[in-house]
Amino acid sequence: GNSVTQMEGPVTLSEEAFLTINCTYTATGYPSLFWYVQYPGEGLQLLLKATKADDKGSNKGFEATYRKETTSFHLEKGSVQVSDSAVYFCALGAVNDYKLSFGAGTTVTVRA
Amino acid sequence: NAGVTQTPKFQVLKTGQSMTLQCAQDMNHEYMSWYRQDPGMGLRLIHYSVGAGITDQGEVPNGYNVSRSTTEDFPLRLLSAAPSQTSVYFCASSINPAGVGTGEGETQYFGPGTRLLVL
Repeated sequence: GNSVTQMEGPVTLSEEAFLTINCTYTATGYPSLFWYVQYPGEGLQLLLKATKADDKGSNKGFEATYRKETTSFHLEKGSVQVSDSAVYFCALGAVNDYKLSFGAGTTVTVRA
Repeated sequence: NAGVTQTPKFQVLKTGQSMTLQCAQDMNHEYMSWYRQDPGMGLRLIHYSVGAGITDQGEVPNGYNVSRSTTEDFPLRLLSAAPSQTSVYFCASSINPAGVGTGEGETQYFGPGTRLLVL
């Protein structure tokens, strides 16, 4: 079945540091890939997505590229801010599958 | 639009009690889902619905019931609460299954969550 593995946290960074969170997946066919973010006390919201190989999703300075050859969708941001402190989830969805398969989540804390 | 709303925000139950977690959406989405979030396990699908009157089981359905009498509402019922059901519960809705699609709005929209503690 479909599954997602993402790097375990927690991750603690200083402001303006470079952030990368690794995500790899196992799936049949051609899934869509997502990064969701959960800020403290809130629900999940979509950060970015990519629906086919070599697509790059981007939002709020974050980027991730759908790499079919390495089955990866790593999240990156060049200069993090305190407001980026959150839990980040990598997820996979397939057409006509009624659920998203989520990674375990990575807690990121950015210190001023 | 209020989006996806959930009540209550927090609930404490004793083992064996029953309760209903409420979920509503005002985006006219056909697809709605319930997930539970547990530390180190991401989110797991409990039940989902593809439209009013149609529901099906997800990965972890035992101990939970759902119904979908209207497009807007998708309540989750705990029949006899157990400590293993201590979790954070999220309701989600989308235009298409799991929010998979290339369009800008094609994603799953999540509610703020209900934190449940079963003693």
